[in-house]
Amino acid sequence: SQQGEEDPQALSIQEGENATMNCSYKTSINNLQWYRQNSGRGLVHLILIRSNEREKHSGRLRVTLDTSKKSSSLLITASRAADTASYFCATRYNDYKLSFGAGTTVTVRA
Amino acid sequence: GAGVSQTPSNKVTEKGKYVELRCDPISGHTALYWYRQSLGQGPEFLIYFQGTGAADDSGLPNDRFFAVRPEGSVSTLKIQRTERGDSAVYLCASSSGQGGETQYFGPGTRLLVL
Repeated sequence: SQQGEEDPQALSIQEGENATMNCSYKTSINNLQWYRQNSGRGLVHLILIRSNEREKHSGRLRVTLDTSKKSSSLLITASRAADTASYFCATRYNDYKLSFGAGTTVTVRA
Repeated sequence: GAGVSQTPSNKVTEKGKYVELRCDPISGHTALYWYRQSLGQGPEFLIYFQGTGAADDSGLPNDRFFAVRPEGSVSTLKIQRTERGDSAVYLCASSSGQGGETQYFGPGTRLLVL
């Protein structure tokens, strides 16, 4: 079973706008990671946030984590056409296993 | 350096046949994972290897599925008596040992069972 749930399921924005997607999970975690997937193939690791961190930045990406609400958000600023992809949150709650949500499909219109 | 590679990229087979899917992890990565992703879903964990041994195979759906990693590097996922419901993308990932938090994924093998 999948622990994480992303919201919304799909998002369509204009190039240059910001995109925000959320992830909720059920059990305590060691860390939470966000991945991107293009065209249903390999996943690319974007960012990892540990359970004792609240916010993290990487380039145009900003991730927040609220362990009291068991939720995380991913913000992509100044979106580009190349950001069109599916985005997945993955929670890690033991030494190795990742549990993925169903993903948010982001479409960036030129 | 080379990333995780998987072969074949696509595999079409008939119901009841046997298939093998191969994964070449990043050199030096001792941890290897197999996931299965159905259409419109996120990847689901199948099995985790630490070195040559399967440390956790709790995600394998039934005994038709089996995976090996005899020399602690390349891994093969084997599916016997394939069923149409086995159609999915099979993803392999590797990480640098038990403490490696980031899993690096291969491009996947798209399996279609007719």
